Amino acid sequence: KQEVTQIPAALSVPEGENLVLNCSFTDSAIYNLQWFRQDPGKGLTSLLLIQSSQREQTSGRLNASLDKSSGRSTLYIAASQPGDSATYLCAVIGGSNYKLTFGKGTLLTVNP
Amino acid sequence: DTGVSQDPRHKITKRGQNVTFRCDPISEHNRLYWYRQTLGQGPEFLTYFQNEAQLEKSRLLSDRFSAERPKGSFSTLEIQRTEQGDSAMYLCASSLVLQETQYFGPGTRLLVL
Repeated sequence: KQEVTQIPAALSVPEGENLVLNCSFTDSAIYNLQWFRQDPGKGLTSLLLIQSSQREQTSGRLNASLDKSSGRSTLYIAASQPGDSATYLCAVIGGSNYKLTFGKGTLLTVNP
Repeated sequence: DTGVSQDPRHKITKRGQNVTFRCDPISEHNRLYWYRQTLGQGPEFLTYFQNEAQLEKSRLLSDRFSAERPKGSFSTLEIQRTEQGDSAMYLCASSLVLQETQYFGPGTRLLVL
C-alpha cells in the first residue's frame, strides 16, 4: 500500500525567504506526482505535475523535483510572500493508474 | 466559470438523515473522482467514474454511500442514515486524460450533529 509522508508538518518563515517542502512515498512505481495548494476551508489548486520520467518542473517561483528511485520529491518556493500561506499537499498516482494518494500536507505561514 | 463546481458548499444535518451532494466536472472531462478529507488529513479516494461507469469504490465507501453519474455528465454522492463520523469535506475532481492533472472543486463541507 502506497504511503505518502510530508515533512515538516508546519513551517513558519519571514517574507522573502526561500524554502523547501519535502515529500516521500513508499512505492516508487508511480505514474506521476502532483503538488497542490489548499487554502483554509477551500478545495485544492494544482500547482505542478511531474511525470515519472521527469526530474523537475517549474512554474514561476515554484520548482518541484522528483527522485523516483529514492521515493522523494521537493517543492522549492523562492522569495516567499504572505500570499503563499496555505497548506501544500503532495500526491502520487501509482499502480491503480488513476487515484491520488495524498500526504497530510505542510502548513506554511509566511510572515510579513 | 469553467472549473469543477460542487453544490451545496456547506451542509448541516442531523444524525440519521440522508444527504446528497452534486458535482459538475469540467465539461469535456470524462473522468470524475470523489475524495473525502477530514481535519488535518490529506484527501482520501472514495470512487472513480469513467463516463457513466463507476470503475472503483474504496473500502471507505460503506453501504450507506452511493454515487452515480448518469449520462456521464454531473455526479451525485448520497449518504444515507448519516453518522457523526461522516462529517468531513467531500471533494470532487475531474480529468481529461488518465494519469494527468486532476482538477478539484471547492468541496462540500458536511457537519452531522
